[in-house]
Amino acid sequence: EIVLTQSPGTLSLSPGERATLSCRASQTVTSAYLVWYQQKPGQAPRLLMYGTSSRATGIPDRFSGSGSGTDFTLTISRLEPEDFAVYYCQHYGTTPYTFGQGTKLEIK
Amino acid sequence: QVQLVQSGAEVKRPGASVKVSCKASGYTFTDYYIQWVRQAPGQGLEWMGWINPKSGATNYAQKFRGRVTMTRDTSVSTAYMELTRLTSDDTAVFYCARFFDIRGVVLSDYWGQGTLVTVSS
Repeated sequence: EIVLTQSPGTLSLSPGERATLSCRASQTVTSAYLVWYQQKPGQAPRLLMYGTSSRATGIPDRFSGSGSGTDFTLTISRLEPEDFAVYYCQHYGTTPYTFGQGTKLEIK
Repeated sequence: QVQLVQSGAEVKRPGASVKVSCKASGYTFTDYYIQWVRQAPGQGLEWMGWINPKSGATNYAQKFRGRVTMTRDTSVSTAYMELTRLTSDDTAVFYCARFFDIRGVVLSDYWGQGTLVTVSS
């Protein structure tokens, strides 16, 4: 089973700042199979990025993804108030398609 | 428009079973896999397994094997997830989501609204 470890657990930043979220895999994940979601309280997860670096439909270009092998990063260039939420990575390599434990992005 | 609409909240006794439905509309049901994901209160997302609506093939996470059954009824474009021998640890929101492979890239773009299952005596 591939274990995804996200860091930090909580990130406290102000609107306008840059956010960098990490997702580290216990073994190599094909870049095509790494996705990121955003989840707000009481809502289903929303697809942000797929294939490591492709933005899903409607996702603004302040969101970007990068990485390869075992290290992947989600970057939000300038935080907007609506970006404060929990972010999860997930892989679609071999089953189980595990999730990271999440990073909570909170307003400082 | 694509929609996945799940059945309503359930309250179950320990030891009971629950069956959650996920009705798809706005696309060809058999063209996309469905995965099921669990989220306990205040916790993260946990992958349970998938079903191929075209063939009925399934793949379950080891943790749930023996307790979970995923099925589908193509005549009503609906996927089902049944979980048996419930305990309080199964109290959670259960999500269905479609996922697919496009040119070698996998993504899950539409999710159901979630179904809260509460297990309590």
